[in-house]
Amino acid sequence: NAGVTQTPKFQVLKTGQSMTLQCAQDMNHEYMSWYRQDPGMGLRLIHYSVGAGITDQGEVPNGYNVSRSTTEDFPLRLLSAAPSQTSVYFCASSVSQLQEQYFGPGTRLTVT
Amino acid sequence: AQSVTQLGSHVSVSEGALVLLRCNYSSSVPPYLFWYVQYPNQGLQLLLKYTSAATLVKGINGFEAEFKKSETSFHLTKPSAHMSDAAEYFCAVSGAGGTSYGKLTFGQGTILTVHP
Repeated sequence: NAGVTQTPKFQVLKTGQSMTLQCAQDMNHEYMSWYRQDPGMGLRLIHYSVGAGITDQGEVPNGYNVSRSTTEDFPLRLLSAAPSQTSVYFCASSVSQLQEQYFGPGTRLTVT
Repeated sequence: AQSVTQLGSHVSVSEGALVLLRCNYSSSVPPYLFWYVQYPNQGLQLLLKYTSAATLVKGINGFEAEFKKSETSFHLTKPSAHMSDAAEYFCAVSGAGGTSYGKLTFGQGTILTVHP
């Protein structure tokens, strides 16, 4: 199993550009989530999904969209990038919401 | 609402010394508690978790944590530090019910440095 994969590893955007961060898992996990990691702030939940077709907002959802059309994939879309979205983004998956979450390697995003 | 506070953003120990990383939480429902470790430029890896069974939880790499409800604490310990333990450690809480059900809230992290 590849586990949780994320692409790209690094990305530089200009303010106002849009992009999609890709996340995929091959463990047949129902629960998937996106976090952003900023220095001194730990990880904060952006959006999550409890199964295909079901998504919900986390702690910091503004400026981000998600969809879950398959069990395997959970892309995160930045609609109009802002410098405040410069961060490291992690995708995670688990069998269910209360079980161990498996994290991807992260995407380091810089918005100039 | 739930929250996590990790006391000390940096902890430094000598190799072979006791490791103690502190975590206090608040939760309005019975909590599930986790410790994750992050090595440089990697994702997070689960060390251990508390899910309302035994209050003393053993994890990987010789780490353990004790759930103390009266102190709302879940401190992480290891009797003897190894150089390979140098990393950033995150405590996290998830509510076992209510609006916080299944949503992980992380502490700000503690960077552990191990000196030879």
